[in-house]
Amino acid sequence: DAKTTQPTSMDCAEGRAANLPCNHSTISGNEYVYWYRQIHSQGPQYIIHGLKNNETNEMASLIITEDRKSSTLILPHATLRDTAVYYCIVRVGPSGSARQLTFGSGTQLTVLP
Amino acid sequence: DAGVIQSPRHEVTEMGQEVTLRCKPISGHNSLFWYRQTMMRGLELLIYFNNNVPIDDSGMPEDRFSAKMPNASFSTLKIQPSEPRDSAVYFCASSFRGPGVFHEQYFGPGTRLTVT
Repeated sequence: DAKTTQPTSMDCAEGRAANLPCNHSTISGNEYVYWYRQIHSQGPQYIIHGLKNNETNEMASLIITEDRKSSTLILPHATLRDTAVYYCIVRVGPSGSARQLTFGSGTQLTVLP
Repeated sequence: DAGVIQSPRHEVTEMGQEVTLRCKPISGHNSLFWYRQTMMRGLELLIYFNNNVPIDDSGMPEDRFSAKMPNASFSTLKIQPSEPRDSAVYFCASSFRGPGVFHEQYFGPGTRLTVT
């Protein structure tokens, strides 16, 4: 699985958009970008995933660059409850979706009131 | 559905004792994962099962760790004997594996293990 690089921490004002970047310059053509988050003292939670097109769901949007070497997770209106560690994971899928997830160190997002 | 259920939520034990962590996956899921999280090593996979069969146990630290899945609705992770360095939060996750279909992993609340 391709390695990812994320900033260690970020702050965002409540109500503003939070943009979390992820670099995955060695991504292969059959690898997807997945985002999970972990709120303090809870288990990780799936957010969104994508291959090459931008994706949006009720939680967030995922923007993947045309060369697929980086992506950005966007939380359009961050709330205090979005404070968490956000993990960007690159892995083969979806048929391999039940394979293990390899978590890096993630980005600690702190939403400030 | 109640989600992935783990028990106990907290466990404090003395070095040398046997510890058993339990997990009930989401009904209908056919893949189950055990992860461990520590400050030093982050989240790491220990073992995962597909259709109750262990597929990859390369993350199991050593022979003191063992995991079983006797049926689709129950799994255990056992540490015998336990050591202080086993102190961590242990997460169980489940998912459905099917051809060409994505299903995310759902994580339980974790078991915080402290070995003194």
